[in-house]
Amino acid sequence: SSELTQDPTVSVALGQTVRITCQGDSLRTYYASWYQQKPGQAPTLVLYGNNNRPPGIPDRFSGSSSGNTASLTITGAQAEDEADYYCNSLDSSLFGSGTKVTVL
Amino acid sequence: QVQLQESGPGLVKPSETLSLTCSVSGGSISNHYWIWIRQPPGRGLEWIGYIYSSGSTSYKPSLKSRVTISLDTSKKQFSLKLRSVTAADTAVYFCVRGNSEYDGLYSYYMDVWGKGTTVTVSS
Repeated sequence: SSELTQDPTVSVALGQTVRITCQGDSLRTYYASWYQQKPGQAPTLVLYGNNNRPPGIPDRFSGSSSGNTASLTITGAQAEDEADYYCNSLDSSLFGSGTKVTVL
Repeated sequence: QVQLQESGPGLVKPSETLSLTCSVSGGSISNHYWIWIRQPPGRGLEWIGYIYSSGSTSYKPSLKSRVTISLDTSKKQFSLKLRSVTAADTAVYFCVRGNSEYDGLYSYYMDVWGKGTTVTVSS
């Protein structure tokens, strides 16, 4: 089916590791891209393709994929990582519903 | 550094046409997808559609009958028209640059976003 499923919320202690998952059939053929959105701001691209980070994105953000599941991992989460994270697939036309990450 | 800037009315009456323009600065129009995405208040991101630099378009099926995206390469602008709007079309509208790659799997990603413009549909 043409949808991407994300957990609505996850929390992580400061400095710990959190993994955000995205499930969907399209991920067997298309890489996921991941977007971070902070309140009142436009989303920003944090990960795309085969674990590629745009310039300026810290290396604590990494990605992986297996079968119909893509994952975004934040290793050593910082307070500034608290945000909504959206996965995206197909020809950019499919968004997940978003995961709100809280850093405790 | 490529920048995108949305412009257009912030208030549109029900049944009328929402018209937005996105101006592209600092980069080329060629070989990119030019995308419109919206976000209703308190909700997630919704893809509206794109126009590729060649002029080909793709729209969200549920909006296709009401949407037109066009590209003016000479002005380095692309535009969104959404007809017959209702309150459900109230949202922040983002213009976005998209890219594609292939290495055995397809990769589409959106690397430049405008700041977004709020459009309210109300009489």
